[in-house]
Amino acid sequence: GAVVSQHPSRVICKSGTSVKIECRSLDFQATTMFWYRQFPKQSLMLMATSNEGSKATYEQGVEKDKFLINHASLTLSTLTVTSAHPEDSSFYICSARKHREAGANTDTQYFGPGTRLTVL
Amino acid sequence: RKEVEQDPGPFNVPEGATVAFNCTYSNSASQSFFWYRQDCRKEPKLLMSVYSSGNEDGRFTAQLNRASQYISLLIRDSKLSDSATYLCVVNRRNAGNMLTFGGGTRLMVKP
Repeated sequence: GAVVSQHPSRVICKSGTSVKIECRSLDFQATTMFWYRQFPKQSLMLMATSNEGSKATYEQGVEKDKFLINHASLTLSTLTVTSAHPEDSSFYICSARKHREAGANTDTQYFGPGTRLTVL
Repeated sequence: RKEVEQDPGPFNVPEGATVAFNCTYSNSASQSFFWYRQDCRKEPKLLMSVYSSGNEDGRFTAQLNRASQYISLLIRDSKLSDSATYLCVVNRRNAGNMLTFGGGTRLMVKP
């Protein structure tokens, strides 16, 4: 397997503040990381694809100026929720793509443990 | 229509039972298929990939029917620890290896 960490695991903030979430691949290099959001009782929804050294690709309906993504190295991507509001409260999960291993027919994505954001 | 559809359940089964989940996907360009398991308030974890010929991993068997665009997961001899939400996931390589998640099927195994 592979290990992906996220920090912080939980954050509570006031409306209007910005929150930065880090996603790290600990034992492999990831040129591509993904950011998901999951609301209660719903499935994961892809927000954006983070590419090392280039701009992120955002899914339809996700505001790129509100959710800033930076993928400055092969092991770190950050998501900053700017001017957070209560409706941004959610479970944010990142994943890192590990290139195809011997015997596998596809790349594998490994998920971080998630960050629970509560905006008051 | 959602790209990946699953019955949300919950499926309530006694310990030792056999239970099957189904999933359909709408995009014929889908190329890789997976079952993930997600425990409450945790991240999804890969349970198994799904291969065209069908594959088995211990008590878990996955099947793929490309013609019907249908994927299944069979769990035999259910354990209490199998209680979780099972996510059907498809990967479209021509979409940058993006994973699309189904809504998940909740399983509760009772003693």
